[in-house]
Amino acid sequence: SQTIHQWPATLVQPVGSPLSLECTVEGTSNPNLYWYRQAAGRGLQLLFYSVGIGQISSEVPQNLSASRPQDRQFILSSKKLLLSDSGFYLCAWSVSVAKNIQYFGAGTRLSVL
Amino acid sequence: AQSVSQHNHHVILSEAASLELGCNYSYGGTVNLFWYVQYPGQHLQLLLKYFSGDPLVKGIKGFEAEFIKSKFSFNLRKPSVQWSDTAEYFCAVKAGGGADGLTFGKGTHLIIQP
Repeated sequence: SQTIHQWPATLVQPVGSPLSLECTVEGTSNPNLYWYRQAAGRGLQLLFYSVGIGQISSEVPQNLSASRPQDRQFILSSKKLLLSDSGFYLCAWSVSVAKNIQYFGAGTRLSVL
Repeated sequence: AQSVSQHNHHVILSEAASLELGCNYSYGGTVNLFWYVQYPGQHLQLLLKYFSGDPLVKGIKGFEAEFIKSKFSFNLRKPSVQWSDTAEYFCAVKAGGGADGLTFGKGTHLIIQP
């Protein structure tokens, strides 16, 4: 069966520090991969998605970037964190473009202080 | 761009009460519709989905939802809730056929009192 792993589960970082969140999927190949963010009191907002290695689409211009160095690995990064980057970050995967049922990881709670 | 509106941000019910959570979306074309649930301390998981066909869809744990195209709505229902239904519920829309992601509503925090 397929599983998705995200780490770390929680992270506290100072303003101006770099960020790297990792997501990996097991048990499937060539998944579509997604990064979402949930800020306090708001729904999930799509940040990036990827349909293949090295292919990244950005939905919202911001202080973050994403990379997909391997088929089942998706990384969310920042060179310098802002206070507004605090939130709950979720990685998700899907196999079907047409139906797009997405399966979510446990998430990373990021606090920028 | 599409948007999703969930009307109730916080709902408190007693056990055995009936539940209906509203969801409306804005998009004129073909959509896939989803309800996701996040139980305390757990992953976000799929509750039910609508792609085509019968507009009344059934999901896990006795939940169902009805797609009303003319009202752009996909309301979630359960005839009799249980304490274990306490969770955050998210309505989501996938517009078009591309690989881009889902558009989520802001969520409804449901508390069931024993």
